[in-house]
Amino acid sequence: GENVEQHPSTLSVQEGDSAVIKCTYSDSASNYFPWYKQELGKRPQLIIDIRSNVGEKKDQRIAVTLNKTAKHFSLHITETQPEDSAVYFCAASIGNYGQNFVFGPGTRLSVLP
Amino acid sequence: DTGVSQNPRHKITKRGQNVTFRCDPISEHNRLYWYRQTLGQGPEFLTYFQNEAQLEKSRLLSDRFSAERPKGSFSTLEIQRTEQGDSAMYLCASSLIALGSGANVLTFGAGSRLTVL
Repeated sequence: GENVEQHPSTLSVQEGDSAVIKCTYSDSASNYFPWYKQELGKRPQLIIDIRSNVGEKKDQRIAVTLNKTAKHFSLHITETQPEDSAVYFCAASIGNYGQNFVFGPGTRLSVLP
Repeated sequence: DTGVSQNPRHKITKRGQNVTFRCDPISEHNRLYWYRQTLGQGPEFLTYFQNEAQLEKSRLLSDRFSAERPKGSFSTLEIQRTEQGDSAMYLCASSLIALGSGANVLTFGAGSRLTVL
């Protein structure tokens, strides 16, 4: 079955610096890769996603890149702000129509003022 | 419709008791998922429904766990004979999936936290 690994498990950056979180997956059939942000005590919320026919997607300060050959994808946050502090989960779709997901273990990002 | 609603938010029970959680998804969403999340881990898949049909159940899931989604609306997750290892946050999520869209955006509820003493 699909296995999603995520690194690092914790990440501290200074406000204004960039943060990068990397994920790898095992199932070459996975074709959709969302990223969820979970603030302390709150529910996970989608922040960006990418489909397998696209190599990169950007939304303001957030970008995701996908390398299908290597089976890895990364989240990039530029100009980090204190409100970016949260746990970030990557996920990879499984199933014929991407109807389910395997989540990574999460990365706790702390943005230091 | 203010999103995915879960009840109760917190449940403390004694080992061996049965518990039931309820999830009310976004009304137009056709898919409903149950996940379990423990501290420091990502959501772990339990089961999902498309409308009223339960299409998949985790192979790791004990037969003490059962879920229903009558009429394709709200869903319940029941845990029978609870064990301390069942202590976790139980998350419900819903989505509207159209074949060929390639995207399946999950909207999560706030979760139901279970503590088994």
